Amino acid sequence: AQRVTQPEKLLSVFKGAPVELKCNYSYSGSPELFWYVQYSRQRLQLLLRHISRESIKGFTADLNKGETSFHLKKPFAQEEDSAMYYCALSGTGANSKLTFGKGITLSVRP
Amino acid sequence: GAGVSQSPSNKVTEKGKDVELRCDPISGHTALYWYRQSLGQGLEFLIYFQGNSAPDKSGLPSDRFSAERTGGSVSTLTIQRTQQEDSAVYLCASSNQQSTEAFFGQGTRLTVV
Repeated sequence: AQRVTQPEKLLSVFKGAPVELKCNYSYSGSPELFWYVQYSRQRLQLLLRHISRESIKGFTADLNKGETSFHLKKPFAQEEDSAMYYCALSGTGANSKLTFGKGITLSVRP
Repeated sequence: GAGVSQSPSNKVTEKGKDVELRCDPISGHTALYWYRQSLGQGLEFLIYFQGNSAPDKSGLPSDRFSAERTGGSVSTLTIQRTQQEDSAVYLCASSNQQSTEAFFGQGTRLTVV
């Protein structure tokens, strides 16, 4: 079975502070990991995926297979980063169903 | 169309009535998902269609829930004898065969009164 765990429901930080949104997963093979974001009144959209190893809007996430984690990080939070963030996992081949964690609300205060 | 389209945007129904929610995926996308989004529960997987394979219905919460995908395109999610706990935003997403990035619709907000 595949499972994604986001242990926190809410993270509130001041503008300019570092951010780390935690994500742990359970999967028996080699999964593909994603972070999705939902800004207020917008539809859910992809933020980044581990295979692209990109920095999007200053966010990065590194897949740690030993710790089965895929934490999302940003060194200096901005107010426009306030949103709901979901970690997601997809299996490979026939098991490519996309499974999401429960999400975390990030609030960046001025 | 440019993206995934869902209708209606909002639906208010009386307890015990049946409802149908529609999803138009991106043309050519072979995979289609239904999720339910509610406060405190995050994104709850409901059902997954992939090409001509049998759908993965493992997330449907009860036999009151069913979904079809006709012609590998449009999908309808049907909830029979709606209950108040069915109130939520129902999201549809699609993806193509080569990429597992999912593109989401704007959702249908269902309120059961």
